[in-house]
Amino acid sequence: QKEVEQDPGPLSVPEGAIVSLNCTYSNSAFQYFMWYRQYSRKGPELLMYTYSSGNKEDGRFTAQVDKSSKYISLFIRDSQPSDSATYLCAMIYILTGGGNKLTFGTGTQLKVEL
Amino acid sequence: EAGVTQFPSHSVIEKGQTVTLRCDPISGHDNLYWYRRVMGKEIKFLLHFVKESKQDESGMPNNRFLAERTGGTYSTLKVQPAELEDSGVYFCASSQGILYEQYFGPGTRLTVT
Repeated sequence: QKEVEQDPGPLSVPEGAIVSLNCTYSNSAFQYFMWYRQYSRKGPELLMYTYSSGNKEDGRFTAQVDKSSKYISLFIRDSQPSDSATYLCAMIYILTGGGNKLTFGTGTQLKVEL
Repeated sequence: EAGVTQFPSHSVIEKGQTVTLRCDPISGHDNLYWYRRVMGKEIKFLLHFVKESKQDESGMPNNRFLAERTGGTYSTLKVQPAELEDSGVYFCASSQGILYEQYFGPGTRLTVT
């Protein structure tokens, strides 16, 4: 079983729609939850991160974490064609020796159409 | 401020050959990570350097992969000999500390034929 599950899509929505992206995870040791955005032929870039259960808002983006259900979501309001990209959830826990590593979902490919 | 850079952007080699990938982290970032994405799979962790020391190399697939970080600056990842299953995109990331954002480079696309 993968530690992080994410629907790969593709997901196609009209401009202005609300987009919901989701991931589930199995490892309760994960402490930090991130959403990365990746454009074609580029590296992932961090959109948002959260530590605790609840919601965190940043402009048109809202990240939601439910640790009891091991479920995280990213909502995009008023979606724009420039939001078309692959969205990756990622999780992290701090290792005893002081190291860390990101564990990614497969990514959801999003296309926002005019 | 320059971001994380990787060289080459794309490499095509034959099975059995050797390839060396290079990563230049953001200046001042002590933490450097290597990740890999093979076709259709998720991005997976390979290893983590703190300065020139390997903090965690639990993700390295086998002893055909050798990573170094000379003087705590740039890093290289050598694959010798390359196999078909090594094809994928190799990402490097760097951060100021383990609780700080990891900044990713654009990746090196490796194709082994």
